[in-house]
Amino acid sequence: EPEVTQTPSHQVTQMGQEVILRCVPISNHLYFYWYRQILGQKVEFLVSFYNNEISEKSEIFDDQFSVERPDGSNFTLKIRSTKLEDSAMYFCASSDLFAGTGDEQYFGPGTRLTVT
Amino acid sequence: AQSVTQLDSQVPVFEEAPVELRCNYSSSVSVYLFWYVQYPNQGLQLLLKYLSGSTLVKGINGFEAEFNKSQTSFHLRKPSVHISDTAEYFCAVSHSGYSTLTFGKGTMLLVSP
Repeated sequence: EPEVTQTPSHQVTQMGQEVILRCVPISNHLYFYWYRQILGQKVEFLVSFYNNEISEKSEIFDDQFSVERPDGSNFTLKIRSTKLEDSAMYFCASSDLFAGTGDEQYFGPGTRLTVT
Repeated sequence: AQSVTQLDSQVPVFEEAPVELRCNYSSSVSVYLFWYVQYPNQGLQLLLKYLSGSTLVKGINGFEAEFNKSQTSFHLRKPSVHISDTAEYFCAVSHSGYSTLTFGKGTMLLVSP
């Protein structure tokens, strides 16, 4: 069964450093998402991406964050200058149809980001 | 704005006992409702979803959920749990025209022998 994959599984970085989290969505999916979960808190939406542009983003997704689909398979989340409060589990997801139709989003296993 | 409340952070239960995990939502518009499960070191996997129609929805692994519009609830149930059901369960909502899923904080189901 096709699945969403994410690398690395765990990333440790120092405050102020740039990090890139990588995701490979399911191959025929058209919509891509990033969510994050700070330890003990809710899973929160960050951004959705379709047709090579951001379709929706939350207030968390400020200028420090960016997303890119550099080739036909990868989908990346970049944090330009990490802060301690960026420590979280980051989930990538993809869907075939627009989530606003109720279509299921398929999630990856997550990348745990630890900022020291 | 949407919000999702999962009233129990942890539910301990014995194997073969029934279980109900509670989820309430608030939204000013019609919603789509989902339950996801996360096993240790894995991603979120869809258990079931409600889009429209019958309010009783059956999902994978013997789980079912009932949509109750008047109580704005979407509780998850299983008549007899297994050790392998130990996992974190997330309730989520989305609505037409938007791509966000809004999640609850999750409920850890702990099944013991």
